[in-house]
Amino acid sequence: DTAVSQTPKYLVTQMGNDKSIKCEQNLGHDTMYWYKQDSKKFLKIMFSYNNKELIINETVPNRFSPKSPDKAHLNLHINSLELGDSAVYFCASSRFQNLGTGELFFGEGSRLTVL
Amino acid sequence: GENVEQHPSTLSVQEGDSAVIKCTYSDSASNYFPWYKQELGKRPQLIIDIRSNVGEKKDQRIAVTLNKTAKHFSLHITETQPEDSAVYFCAASRTGGFKTIFGAGTRLFVKA
Repeated sequence: DTAVSQTPKYLVTQMGNDKSIKCEQNLGHDTMYWYKQDSKKFLKIMFSYNNKELIINETVPNRFSPKSPDKAHLNLHINSLELGDSAVYFCASSRFQNLGTGELFFGEGSRLTVL
Repeated sequence: GENVEQHPSTLSVQEGDSAVIKCTYSDSASNYFPWYKQELGKRPQLIIDIRSNVGEKKDQRIAVTLNKTAKHFSLHITETQPEDSAVYFCAASRTGGFKTIFGAGTRLFVKA
């Protein structure tokens, strides 16, 4: 059973289009995240959600809109795609612990290519 | 803001040698320090972590040390094997922070 699953795995699209990535976790975790990994492998946090509520928005452009319909799901919609949005997007989850965020469980990643 | 610096960016070792990766964090409130391994085309996965109330932790061939005063922590891999070749990320987070900040990664090559 996949703990954190995200779809689609690959996305190729034209500039200006809108696309969505879906994420689901079956670990019963309270907190979910979106991370962006660029071509240099740098992992940058975009959003954190706790119990469906947005907690962190790391100065991400308004074109990116996350949605959490319930604790197990966190989707990412991107409007008006730009070349610089090309990256691998990782969904992750963690059980919020008293000391830090605890272990992050990552999905397989969604590779977005904007042409 | 919070920042985690990681060195070196690339490390090449001979099979059987040791590898050391060093990180520095800026947020003195950080109290959880995980290390993740990412193989080519795969997701990052936790290999070891350490909390601020501990100075050292070991798990078979890997160990992590933490110096809270200097805000440094390091990953040590002994008796390296070709399957240790991957990108390694250090990271830091704090209670109530709801985010984990990653270092820039170290690409480790283990030559057979």
